[in-house]
Amino acid sequence: SQKIEQNSEALNIQEGKTATLTCNYTNYSPAYLQWYRQDPGRGPVFLLLIRENEKEKRKERLKVTFDTTLKQSLFHITASQPADSATYLCALALDSNYQLIWGAGTKLIIKP
Amino acid sequence: DTAVSQTPKYLVTQMGNDKSIKCEQNLGHDTMYWYKQDSKKFLKIMFSYNNKELIINETVPNRFSPKSPDKAHLNLHINSLELGDSAVYFCASSNQGSEAFFGQGTRLTVV
Repeated sequence: SQKIEQNSEALNIQEGKTATLTCNYTNYSPAYLQWYRQDPGRGPVFLLLIRENEKEKRKERLKVTFDTTLKQSLFHITASQPADSATYLCALALDSNYQLIWGAGTKLIIKP
Repeated sequence: DTAVSQTPKYLVTQMGNDKSIKCEQNLGHDTMYWYKQDSKKFLKIMFSYNNKELIINETVPNRFSPKSPDKAHLNLHINSLELGDSAVYFCASSNQGSEAFFGQGTRLTVV
């Protein structure tokens, strides 16, 4: 069966440390993968996109890796801050029609 | 200017009623979507429209129907509302192969 999984439990990280979130998928052939941030009461906001032929993407304190052999993407926030606390969603775009398949999200809590 | 705007933000209605949620995007995107986010926060696509043509229609009840009068609008009509329809509904838009922009969401409560 096809599925995309993120850690359903909240991730608690001390301020200043690196937070690492995981997105695993099975039985999909992705064109690319996206990461979004969602705050309570708001819609998801796009953060990064990484294509299937890319290994790593960076944007300021954010880094995303994409391993199509392991079928996994890792999302890193370095020097984490309490303002980074939110739910982070990964979304896989299928290479057949670019339909986005969403993970359930991981709630990240950065403690001061 | 708001990129993707949907109205209303909150909607409380009784079972059996018919309601609509409006969505507009001013980004010039070619595809618009409706998503449902339930109490478990799982984001599930309901419909997408590309150039006024329905290209994805997930297994949602036919009580839900999207209406796209033009490329910038995709409204969601819901007939005979049920308790289980209570959720947050998000409109979004994108160009193919690019990131999606979401509206603020409509929290629908059916009582």
